[in-house]
Amino acid sequence: GENVEQHPSTLSVQEGDSAVIKCTYSDSASNYFPWYKQELGKGPQLIIDIRSNVGEKKDQRIAVTLNKTAKHFSLHITETQPEDSAVYFCAASIGGGSQGNLIFGKGTKLSVKP
Amino acid sequence: NAGVMQNPRHLVRRRGQEARLRCSPMKGHSHVYWYRQLPEEGLKFMVYLQKENIIDESGMPKERFSAEFPKEGPSILRIQQVVRGDSAAYFCASSQMGGGMDTEAFFGQGTRLTVV
Repeated sequence: GENVEQHPSTLSVQEGDSAVIKCTYSDSASNYFPWYKQELGKGPQLIIDIRSNVGEKKDQRIAVTLNKTAKHFSLHITETQPEDSAVYFCAASIGGGSQGNLIFGKGTKLSVKP
Repeated sequence: NAGVMQNPRHLVRRRGQEARLRCSPMKGHSHVYWYRQLPEEGLKFMVYLQKENIIDESGMPKERFSAEFPKEGPSILRIQQVVRGDSAAYFCASSQMGGGMDTEAFFGQGTRLTVV
């Protein structure tokens, strides 16, 4: 079946450094790629997304890149802060369907050390 | 503007009992999705519903699990005769539109089901 691979599973950085999380997907029809941040005991919170007609998108300290040919996309967080510590999930839409119908990666636990 | 509301937040059931999980979508949203998350795992898609219709239930076990989204009221995920393996966090998400339209999905805080 279709799947999304996410690496690394854990990531530890010093405050102020950059963090990069990478994902690959298998479904060629996927056209929507959101990133979610999940804090302990809470639901996933959408932080940024990208659609297949765009190669890069940036929102303040967060950026996402998409390479449709290689079927991979990445999350970049610059100038990390302790409050960025959380589990981050990438996801890809199932086929070309609804943007709530998603396949998730297994998550990256990001720790930002002050 | 309330977000996606799920209740209860925590639910404990004995093996063999029924679990009912409720989800009220964001105001104006007519598409609801249910996901299951096991500890240290990503979210797994279960079912996608619109009002009074199941659009995609490919991720939902064929037995003991059912979902509905009636014309009035919240969406319900129902698990009959629960077993220990059903213990997980169940998340609901909603979106304004579906079918590839340009709207995001927002998640609720989840219901943590524990089967004892």
